[in-house]
Amino acid sequence: AQSVTQLDSQVPVFEEAPVELRCNYSSSVSVYLFWYVQYPNQGLQLLLKYLSGSTLVESINGFEAEFNKSQTSFHLRKPSVHISDTAEYFCAVSERSQFYFGTGTSLTVIP
Amino acid sequence: NAGVTQTPKFQVLKTGQSMTLQCAQDMNHNSMYWYRQDPGMGLRLIYYSASEGTTDKGEVPNGYNVSRLNKREFSLRLESAAPSQTSVYFCASSPAGHYGYTFGSGTRLTVV
Repeated sequence: AQSVTQLDSQVPVFEEAPVELRCNYSSSVSVYLFWYVQYPNQGLQLLLKYLSGSTLVESINGFEAEFNKSQTSFHLRKPSVHISDTAEYFCAVSERSQFYFGTGTSLTVIP
Repeated sequence: NAGVTQTPKFQVLKTGQSMTLQCAQDMNHNSMYWYRQDPGMGLRLIYYSASEGTTDKGEVPNGYNVSRLNKREFSLRLESAAPSQTSVYFCASSPAGHYGYTFGSGTRLTVV
């Protein structure tokens, strides 16, 4: 079965600094990759996804993630974070119609 | 607003009580899911329904039952609540294919 690893459970970063949230998965057999964001006391919202094509995908609020098949990774990056980016971020992998979530990374942006 | 609606948003139960968590989606999605979220453990799948009329166990089904009432609605029932079922419960739905999930806003359940 697929497993998804988010090595960093908590990431504090100063406002306007860059950030990278790491995600690795166990199998590279025909997977689809997602990042979800959860703001406090809310449900999860889809941030971005990789289905096929260009390995670099972007969200509307400045995040990007790159699919690296050889390293089985899908790291999330933003060049300059804002206070409003404080949230929990979940990496997810879809394989053979099954969905697997990582345990989440709590991003805290410090003013 | 289109999306996934969960009720109630908050609930406190005594050990041994029963309750049903309701979930409805208006996006004509085929598949629906129930997850629980616990600190440090991420999201764990309880049950899912790939299509109307079918349900399957997920990773942590013990103590729960589900009903796919129609294409829109998927309910989760706790027959005899236990403190270990204190959690935040999320319902989600997805269309056919790999388009990702749409989540509800969650139900925060406390069992005392």
